[in-house]
Amino acid sequence: DAGVIQSPRHEVTEMGQEVTLRCKPISGHNSLFWYRQTMMRGLELLIYFNNNVPIDDSGMPEDRFSAKMPNASFSTLKIQPSEPRDSAVYFCASSSEGALYYGYTFGSGTRLTVV
Amino acid sequence: AQSVTQLGSHVSVSEGALVLLRCNYSSSVPPYLFWYVQYPNQGLQLLLKYTTGATLVKGINGFEAEFKKSETSFHLTKPSAHMSDAAEYFCAVSRGGGADGLTFGKGTHLIIQP
Repeated sequence: DAGVIQSPRHEVTEMGQEVTLRCKPISGHNSLFWYRQTMMRGLELLIYFNNNVPIDDSGMPEDRFSAKMPNASFSTLKIQPSEPRDSAVYFCASSSEGALYYGYTFGSGTRLTVV
Repeated sequence: AQSVTQLGSHVSVSEGALVLLRCNYSSSVPPYLFWYVQYPNQGLQLLLKYTTGATLVKGINGFEAEFKKSETSFHLTKPSAHMSDAAEYFCAVSRGGGADGLTFGKGTHLIIQP
């Protein structure tokens, strides 16, 4: 299995531009999570999906952030417009029904820099 | 709400010495506890987890952790540190009773001195 695949690995964009981060979960996993990692706040859960349906988006910081999961093998996290304070590493993770016993699998992350 | 506190943002040990990384949790439901490791510029890798049953949990790379309910702790240990153990370590607790994600601690940066 290739694991959780995120793209791009690095993204540098100018303030005000739209940014789209992508994630392909592990085949057969039915839950997908987006996390943000910063020095100040650590790892924060932004949103998670179960069977492609958003379950909890209470961690999404502002309306500028949106996430979709059109099918079981693909999810996007979009920031529009982007701001310098959005600079962070964004992780995607997926899990199966047995997440509490098998754990959550993380991707390698996307390092976003907004200048 | 569930929370995790990791004592010490940086821990330095000599190669061959005992590694002890501290984690305390707060949970309103029976906790499921995890330790993840993050190497530079990489994602998080699961080290070990406690779900139910035996309170001493063994993980990969010689690490183990003990769940102590009375102390609300889940400290991570390794008898003998290796240079390759240098990384960031995160303790996490399940957000609820189901598989609805994890709440992470702020992390502990482990430094190995030669």
